[in-house]
Amino acid sequence: EIVLTQSPATLSLSPGERATLSCRASQTVDIYLAWYQQKPGQAPRLLIYDASNRATGIPARFSGSGSGTDFTLTISSLEPEDSAVYYCQQRYKWPPITFGQGTRLEIK
Amino acid sequence: QVQLVQSGAEVKKPGASVKVSCKTSGYTFTNDYIHWVRQAPGQGLEWMGWINPNSGGTNYAQKFQGRVTLTRDTSISTASMELSSLRSDDTAVYFCASGGNTLSHDMRLDYWGQGTLVTVSS
Repeated sequence: EIVLTQSPATLSLSPGERATLSCRASQTVDIYLAWYQQKPGQAPRLLIYDASNRATGIPARFSGSGSGTDFTLTISSLEPEDSAVYYCQQRYKWPPITFGQGTRLEIK
Repeated sequence: QVQLVQSGAEVKKPGASVKVSCKTSGYTFTNDYIHWVRQAPGQGLEWMGWINPNSGGTNYAQKFQGRVTLTRDTSISTASMELSSLRSDDTAVYFCASGGNTLSHDMRLDYWGQGTLVTVSS
């Protein structure tokens, strides 16, 4: 099973600042990594697929990078509505499809 | 637009079974896998398995083998997840998700249902 480790666990930043979230895989996942945003009481929302492709309707301030085992989600200029938990997920080697444990982003 | 609408919350006793449905619209139901993912209170996301709506083929996470059954009804574009021998630690929100093409064995999870809370309590 591929284990995804996200860091940091919690991030607290101000509006307008840049957020950098990390996801590290226990073995290569090539580019088959996605990022999701989840707000309280809601389903996860796909932000980025295949490491760097923005999903439909996702603002340009969200970007993804990386390949192999190290990936980054960057939010270039934080908005108050970006407060959420962010998960990475791999679909390279399954079963099982696996998720990271999440990074909680707080906007001050 | 693509929509996945799940059935309502359930309360079950330990040892019972629960069946959650996921009605889809806005795309060709048989083209994309349907996955099931659960989230215990305050916890992360856990993948349970998928069903190929075209063939009916399934693939389950080892943890749920023997307890989970995924089915589909192509006539009403609906997938279902049944979990048996419920325990208190099965209390969670259960999500269905779709988006990956079955012909290319694509395991993308682009679109999600709203979630169904299943509470297991005596």
